[in-house]
Amino acid sequence: DADVTQTPRNRITKTGKRIMLECSQTKGHDRMYWYRQDPGLGLRLIYYSFDVKDINKGEISDGYSVSRQAQAKFSLSLESAIPNQTALYFCATSISGGNEQFFGPGTRLTVL
Amino acid sequence: GEDVEQSLFLSVREGDSSVINCTYTDSSSTYLYWYKQEPGAGLQLLTYIFSNMDMKQDQRLTVLLNKKDKHLSLRIADTQTGDSAIYFCAEGRFNKFYFGSGTKLNVKP
Repeated sequence: DADVTQTPRNRITKTGKRIMLECSQTKGHDRMYWYRQDPGLGLRLIYYSFDVKDINKGEISDGYSVSRQAQAKFSLSLESAIPNQTALYFCATSISGGNEQFFGPGTRLTVL
Repeated sequence: GEDVEQSLFLSVREGDSSVINCTYTDSSSTYLYWYKQEPGAGLQLLTYIFSNMDMKQDQRLTVLLNKKDKHLSLRIADTQTGDSAIYFCAEGRFNKFYFGSGTKLNVKP
């Protein structure tokens, strides 16, 4: 769905490096989410934001930070990447009062 | 997360029906969802059911909800090879969404 975009789509990095994953949306949604997907574990929520300046931890926020620079942008940072952060990362959006999330295409991150 | 459980794999033959099952634990869930993930892609919403409904049908898809047992199922009639994907069950509560581990559906020709 081109309305939620993620950059980069693929990234290989080394242990200890700082990495930022970007998410942009043109849907005008107020709510944005970051998930990671690991085989057999489904999607786990890292952070979510219900509006600009609203930041909330999800179930696995350790080792990650986020920034909601504008309603349309929500970035995820790994301050010092480690190999067990190798995963597929998804950004999603929803609108308050709505009942559906819209997902970006994902970013495949490999930490060596 | 949050105790949404699914079996990891299902294999069916083309033309058969597929039934993917899911259990959840929180009775306060408002909506229950089925998402489809094709290889290399994000998740796409297939269908959802409001928690006060028992069944919802949408073309080849039938969703059944048993609130007493906290059991949700997705039936795909006349399964096609294009239905091969990972299917995620999810529950929505207070604008947060909790996903199962996903069921990989393999459709054999």
